[in-house]
Amino acid sequence: KAGVTQTPRYLIKTRGQQVTLSCSPISGHRSVSWYQQTPGQGLQFLFEYFSETQRNKGNFPGRFSGRQFSNSRSEMNVSTLELGDSALYLCASSSLPPGRTSSYNEQFFGPGTRLTVL
Amino acid sequence: DQQVKQNSPSLSVQEGRISILNCDYTNSMFDYFLWYKKYPAEGPTFLISISSIKDKNEDGRFTVFLNKSAKHLSLHIVPSQPGDSAVYFCAASAQGGSEKLVFGKGTKLTVNP
Repeated sequence: KAGVTQTPRYLIKTRGQQVTLSCSPISGHRSVSWYQQTPGQGLQFLFEYFSETQRNKGNFPGRFSGRQFSNSRSEMNVSTLELGDSALYLCASSSLPPGRTSSYNEQFFGPGTRLTVL
Repeated sequence: DQQVKQNSPSLSVQEGRISILNCDYTNSMFDYFLWYKKYPAEGPTFLISISSIKDKNEDGRFTVFLNKSAKHLSLHIVPSQPGDSAVYFCAASAQGGSEKLVFGKGTKLTVNP
């Protein structure tokens, strides 16, 4: 069974640009979550999708958005990039819907997209 | 405000000895805790979890201890192996693990042969 895939793996953008990252969950998984990892803040939750609906959102500005398609693939978009958006963006998928107790035990992460903003 | 804190950015131990990674939390609503391991260029992988109704959970060489009164948990790895060298993240969730995960900043463990 293929794991969670994220594309692209590496990306370099300049301030003010926008970027779209893609995540393909494990086959059959319908929950997709996004996280941002930076050296200063560690791993921070961005948002979670299930059945094309955003179910939960972290404390990030509106420049960060996402969506999920009917095949469970998900994209996240960051507009008007800032230097501080440089980070590793991780996607995770789960076979369990959000809100299920200990669904995180069944959550699998992709390798991430390394975004560098110059 | 960092609700989950891993105060040691790094830890170095000898192969065969015990590794103890610590995590403190401030939010008393957290009732489900997890540890993840992350190798470079890979995403985190789930290691072990514990519910607040327990004070210990064991899985092979990995044991997690929870001290609710101190709002502290620890991960023990015995015996430590070089392949355990990775960054370890502590994470917490409320509502029995159904609320969003809050992560610590991670501790880099190095196990020396």
